[in-house]
Amino acid sequence: QKEVEQNSGPLSVPEGAIASLNCTYSDRGSQSFFWYRQYSGKSPELIMFIYSNGDKEDGRFTAQLNKASQYVSLLIRDSQPSDSATYLCAVKVDSGAGSYQLTFGKGTKLSVIP
Amino acid sequence: DGGITQSPKYLFRKEGQNVTLSCEQNLNHDAMYWYRQDPGQGLRLIYYSQIVNDFQKGDIAEGYSVSREKKESFPLTVTSAQKNPTAFYLCASRELADPEQFFGPGTRLTVL
Repeated sequence: QKEVEQNSGPLSVPEGAIASLNCTYSDRGSQSFFWYRQYSGKSPELIMFIYSNGDKEDGRFTAQLNKASQYVSLLIRDSQPSDSATYLCAVKVDSGAGSYQLTFGKGTKLSVIP
Repeated sequence: DGGITQSPKYLFRKEGQNVTLSCEQNLNHDAMYWYRQDPGQGLRLIYYSQIVNDFQKGDIAEGYSVSREKKESFPLTVTSAQKNPTAFYLCASRELADPEQFFGPGTRLTVL
């Protein structure tokens, strides 16, 4: 069974610091990786996705992918209290005929301390 | 406004009863998904559909059923065969050519 592992946290960082969230996956054939943010009681919202090895930056967020190590991370620079949420890592699993599923990790709870 | 709506927001059910959760989208998306989330857990896929009148089981389909009679609607029925149905249920949709799944606000189901 394909697995996605995340440290459940909570991860506490001071306001203005860099938060580093990590995710490992078991399927070496996985090609696409997604980071979602979920506030308590709300639905997930996509932050960014990454396909290629290396870094992808979007504003204060940077996703890093290392397929050889089966590792994907999310860095949040200049962390704000509004970043306090659970961050879900998801891995795309192709089901054929253009269809795919997302396998989610359990999420890491981030708390940014003012 | 385009988006995904789920109703009701909160639902209470007695043991042994079937209940149907609504999911409607006006984004003209082809693919729709149902997930279940338990406290402290990630999302687990129940069913998904790429086209009208066709759907596939996800990882935890037992005790659930779906239909896709219209492109914009993908209702989920939680049957009495589902042993532990209390959870947060999320519906999502996407364009086939787009990897991003958009989520509805969710329905919180509690079995009394």
